[in-house]
Amino acid sequence: QSVLTQPPSVSAAPGQKVTISCSGSSSNIGNNYVSWYQQLPGTAPKLLIYDNSKRPSGIPDRFSGSKSGTSATLGITGLQTGDEADYYCGTWDSSLSAWVFGGGTKLTVL
Amino acid sequence: QVQLQESGPGLVKPSETLSLTCAVSGYSISSGYYWGWIRQPPGKGLEWIGSIYHSGSTYYNPSLKSRVTISVDTSKNQFSLKLDSVTAADTAVYYCARVPHRGASLVWFDPWGQGTLVTVSS
Repeated sequence: QSVLTQPPSVSAAPGQKVTISCSGSSSNIGNNYVSWYQQLPGTAPKLLIYDNSKRPSGIPDRFSGSKSGTSATLGITGLQTGDEADYYCGTWDSSLSAWVFGGGTKLTVL
Repeated sequence: QVQLQESGPGLVKPSETLSLTCAVSGYSISSGYYWGWIRQPPGKGLEWIGSIYHSGSTYYNPSLKSRVTISVDTSKNQFSLKLDSVTAADTAVYYCARVPHRGASLVWFDPWGQGTLVTVSS
């Protein structure tokens, strides 16, 4: 049981938009920055979004992040088959003094 | 650019100690940042194990804290993980990563090593 809650799976057609939610509490998302990671099949996770909404160099602007209260959202527009991957949110939990990940969401581009 | 590479035995017997090393290139560990270990059991999600600063200050996952030791060797520009009394549940791909921090909080993981699979079996 993860501290952060994500939907197990989402799907959408190529070219469409999808959002992935990440729900937490005041001790984690509510008072700390959220980051998002993309894990393509058989590869290591890669940083996609940091500080709730910032994109590292090289990440296309099709990927966006936002945070409101104790929830965060990853948005992907113009879906491509190459976006099929597992997506994880993560943040610091001030009560646990520990890093926590969401359970992950598998994105299928139909 | 910064690169991380995990190394260590791919097979560990139950009740023994899992030991892994993460070699860092392209950046001096002594220059700052926390450095962390994350694992992923086959077919499952990511689990943070712990992180260490170049000074030796550590944060550990409370659920693993009693069995984990993370250490840093600045002379070799590497950091290490030891996990005691392993069981089959510790079978996972183990990743290392660089971890920025702000005050007492870790803020993200980037970059990541390619990961190494460790199987616990007799």
